[in-house]
Amino acid sequence: GAVVSQHPSWVICKSGTSVKIECRSLDFQATTMFWYRQFPKQSLMLMATSNEGSKATYEQGVEKDKFLINHASLTLSTLTVTSAHPEDSSFYICSAAGQGDTQYFGPGTRLTVL
Amino acid sequence: GESVGLHLPTLSVQEGDNSIINCAYSNSASDYFIWYKQESGKGPQFIIDIRSNMDKRQGQRVTVLLNKTVKHLSLQIAATQPGDSAVYFCAESSNDYKLSFGAGTTVTVRA
Repeated sequence: GAVVSQHPSWVICKSGTSVKIECRSLDFQATTMFWYRQFPKQSLMLMATSNEGSKATYEQGVEKDKFLINHASLTLSTLTVTSAHPEDSSFYICSAAGQGDTQYFGPGTRLTVL
Repeated sequence: GESVGLHLPTLSVQEGDNSIINCAYSNSASDYFIWYKQESGKGPQFIIDIRSNMDKRQGQRVTVLLNKTVKHLSLQIAATQPGDSAVYFCAESSNDYKLSFGAGTTVTVRA
């Protein structure tokens, strides 16, 4: 149980394009989903918290207009990196929490912006 | 600001020995602590958690110890196996379900 998937697992795009990453909870309903970014050999940094049907809450320093988050259902959240640039290249990881506060993480999406 | 941190960035352990990974936290309001294992190129995998009203919790081959007096958390892995090689993160939370991660400890198991 408590499986979270992400799609795609990796993506390469040109600078200036937008990329959408999906996060799904496969066997439970996720009241809250979280998006993290992880640079090589670093820890996970929380970008934003999203609750189904409401606007995401962004951490300080994260541009909400650049990282668009939609949490349309209890099993799906999407992160869109708009006008991506090379410095946005990173490992993006989502997590989902059900009724409790344990977060279950997806496998991550490797984004490379050329 | 307050953060969660780890004492050692790397740990090398002989296969079959026990491993101890340490974590220091500074947010006295933290009431929920979790250990995650992350293998290369993958997302974090939940290992074990503990709440602030406990000081010890055991799982399969793993034990988490919490010392609130000195704000210290540790993960003990019994009979370490090659598959235990990974980066281990401690994380803490205080009421809002947001997790703050430590820097991570890389565990390498020697055959």
